[in-house]
Amino acid sequence: KNEVEQSPQNLTAQEGEFITINCSYSVGISALHWLQQHPGGGIVSLFMLSSGKKKHGRLIATINIQEKHSSLHITASHPRDSAVYICAVRLDSNYQLIWGAGTKLIIKP
Amino acid sequence: SQTIHQWPATLVQPVGSPLSLECTVEGTSNPNLYWYRQAAGRGLQLLFYSVGIGQISSEVPQNLSASRPQDRQFILSSKKLLLSDSGFYLCAWSSLIQRGAEAFFGQGTRLTVV
Repeated sequence: KNEVEQSPQNLTAQEGEFITINCSYSVGISALHWLQQHPGGGIVSLFMLSSGKKKHGRLIATINIQEKHSSLHITASHPRDSAVYICAVRLDSNYQLIWGAGTKLIIKP
Repeated sequence: SQTIHQWPATLVQPVGSPLSLECTVEGTSNPNLYWYRQAAGRGLQLLFYSVGIGQISSEVPQNLSASRPQDRQFILSSKKLLLSDSGFYLCAWSSLIQRGAEAFFGQGTRLTVV
């Protein structure tokens, strides 16, 4: 079993829909990152969380430390949100990063 | 402010040619540095990490090597590229001392070996 699991692996939705991507982990962490990777490959860091909730524009990220679970939400989704969204956790023990496999999101107009 | 630079963004190299990808960090000292690779359809896999100058740990045996000639410089190299080396390479850094401090990510390099 992978230490970081993302779901779903693939998600296709219509423009305007509310999107939720989930990340569960089984290790002790000091922080969790959500990143966005566009088809060209470039990676953009969206959020870093160690507790609670963060919001940036239409993106919201939450984390529940006790349940070892984080969610990334996109409100009023748009085709330009189409990308791979990756969850990564920083280990509590040595600060290494462990990555989820990513969720491929396609928003249709 | 803390930033990380990784270049080039894209690279096409013939089989058997050498490789050198460079990553530099600004705004911090003694960072932990990481190289990751993402093969097609797969998640990011840790290749190398470094906790200091000249200190390199390899996670996966492969055709690649890493070096850290300066505190804020991390280089990924190969003497002879294989087709299987194609993929997306990402450099990152984090602070060991600052618990909960952010990790920073380069833009990544898309390598195609032909």
